[in-house]
Amino acid sequence: ELKVEQNPLFLSMQEGKNYTIYCNYSTTSDRLYWYRQDPGKSLESLFVLLSNGAVKQEGRLMASLDTKARLSTLHITAAVHDLSATYFCAVGGTNAGKSTFGDGTTLTVKP
Amino acid sequence: GAVVSQHPSWVICKSGTSVKIECRSLDFQATTMFWYRQFPKQSLMLMATSNEGSKATYEQGVEKDKFLINHASLTLSTLTVTSAHPEDSSFYICSASAFGRPTNYGYTFGSGTRLTVV
Repeated sequence: ELKVEQNPLFLSMQEGKNYTIYCNYSTTSDRLYWYRQDPGKSLESLFVLLSNGAVKQEGRLMASLDTKARLSTLHITAAVHDLSATYFCAVGGTNAGKSTFGDGTTLTVKP
Repeated sequence: GAVVSQHPSWVICKSGTSVKIECRSLDFQATTMFWYRQFPKQSLMLMATSNEGSKATYEQGVEKDKFLINHASLTLSTLTVTSAHPEDSSFYICSASAFGRPTNYGYTFGSGTRLTVV
């Protein structure tokens, strides 16, 4: 059974600081997704990582995938308040297959 | 592109009644749709996977007679919560996939339905 662990589960950081969220998974997979969820809202797709060594960046967020270590990271650079949200990684899920979600990391960026 | 519309956004119903939630893919054909439930401050829990024209596959522990899923067309899936009870109160989210789409774009999620059973 595929298990996905995110850490930390809660993260409070000051504006301007950098931090990394980690996503470990238990069985081999070659696709990993990062999503953002704002309070009371649904999920928004951030990144799709499909191969070992894949790195994608959008604004202050950068995601990477190491399939050999079964690890993905979501790096936040110079955090701003607008990044406050819950971030989920999800593993697996081929064209018609289900994904397994991590527990989410709730990020709060303080001025 | 890749828009999934989910209705209603919120619903309050009395115990014992049934509630239907619709999930529509607006600009693509969704061969597969997934239904999730999310309790406050928790992750998404997959309830079932539905493929167009066939019976849904339910996850372990999900009552198929209570949570009826119909995926009659490539653009519409419905989840009916039958004989709802307060413990069914939750945030229900659908997501849709089509060939090639999640590979490049990630899965597309509906806006969610907040169900409150009183």
